Amino acid sequence: NAGVTQTPKFQVLKTGQSMTLQCAQDMNHNSMYWYRQDPGMGLRLIYYSASEGTTDKGEVPNGYNVSRLNKREFSLRLESAAPSQTSVYFCASSPLGVMANQPQHFGDGTRLSIL
Amino acid sequence: GENVEQHPSTLSVQEGDSAVIKCTYSDSASNYFPWYKQELGKRPQLIIDIRSNVGEKKDQRIAVTLNKTAKHFSLHITETQPEDSAVYFCAASMRQAGTALIFGKGTTLSVSS
Repeated sequence: NAGVTQTPKFQVLKTGQSMTLQCAQDMNHNSMYWYRQDPGMGLRLIYYSASEGTTDKGEVPNGYNVSRLNKREFSLRLESAAPSQTSVYFCASSPLGVMANQPQHFGDGTRLSIL
Repeated sequence: GENVEQHPSTLSVQEGDSAVIKCTYSDSASNYFPWYKQELGKRPQLIIDIRSNVGEKKDQRIAVTLNKTAKHFSLHITETQPEDSAVYFCAASMRQAGTALIFGKGTTLSVSS
């Protein structure tokens, strides 16, 4: 099993460009999450999907959109990239959601630089 | 808003010493508290977690304690080894946004031999 797979691993964009970060999990998990990690800031939740067909905002949703394409896939889109969105982005999944007291499994991350 | 505070931000110990990292949380309804270890350039990986109906949990050299009254929980690593060097994150489940983990800002642990 691959677990949680993120693509691409690295990306450089110019300000104003758009792009979609892809995430797929093969563990049959119901819940999926997108975080960003900045130095000294820990992991901050951008959006999550508690189950297929639902998405909700996290702590820092501005400038992002998400799509839960199916049970396996959860994508994050930057419509007009800004330098403040330079970060490492992690996707995670869990079987039934955090309030079911289950851990989240993380992907390897996407390192995104916006010039 | 709801938050998790983690201390210290950096911790340096000698090999064989113990290390303790502390976190406090604000949401009294929080009931799940995982700890993650992240090595440089790698993904966060779960090392231990505790649920609100338990006061302490141990796994070999790692233990976590929870005080729900005071709303704080701690990670204890005994007999530290150089391979324990990493960034450690605590997290707590929060009602905000319906269902989510809120993470502390991390503790960089350095174990010198």
